[in-house]
Amino acid sequence: DTGVSQNPRHKITKRGQNVTFRCDPISEHNRLYWYRQTLGQGPEFLTYFQNEAQLEKSRLLSDRFSAERPKGSFSTLEIQRTEQGDSAMYLCASSLRRGFQETQYFGPGTRLLVL
Amino acid sequence: GQQLNQSPQSMFIQEGEDVSMNCTSSSIFNTWLWYKQEPGEGPVLLIALYKAGELTSNGRLTAQFGITRKDSFLNISASIPSDVGIYFCAGQDGSGNTGKLIFGQGTTLQVKP
Repeated sequence: DTGVSQNPRHKITKRGQNVTFRCDPISEHNRLYWYRQTLGQGPEFLTYFQNEAQLEKSRLLSDRFSAERPKGSFSTLEIQRTEQGDSAMYLCASSLRRGFQETQYFGPGTRLLVL
Repeated sequence: GQQLNQSPQSMFIQEGEDVSMNCTSSSIFNTWLWYKQEPGEGPVLLIALYKAGELTSNGRLTAQFGITRKDSFLNISASIPSDVGIYFCAGQDGSGNTGKLIFGQGTTLQVKP
């Protein structure tokens, strides 16, 4: 399977705990995106990387959130001091940017529940 | 900020019927994408549109990139039970460096056998 993979698929944590999610993009894709999706809504952009550089962060990404893509391959998204409002599906997508054309392919997501 | 209005919000149809859904935007996009999402899974790409006026098919699915670059529609012909899911449109402003997607609210499709 050469698609985007995410781990874990599900995470239940208590308020105040830290959590970390991992995303492995499609091989050779130079861009990696993180989105958050709450029930009944479309995904909302959080941040993205081109290779190892983090190029844009949404206002949704509070200072409790941090993302890395250390070698331009896999990425991690960490949430510190989780709050109940952080409960959502966290989606990762990767793409290969060629000129102005780019198509994003999504992973299966990590569903977070903060108790 | 940029917003996409997707309609209808939900549809309940009989197997074999054709389905149409659309998205409109207050902003211009250079790429329109249509995804399908099933419960507990990530969105799966159905069709990607890169040029204004482009009409693209993928099996029973047909999508068009509006001439004004502010809208797109998706048609599904002869629906079958496995078409059930949530369909999302997404626009991408590729003119700058960012490739982030702006999503519609989704159209929930239910098909009665």
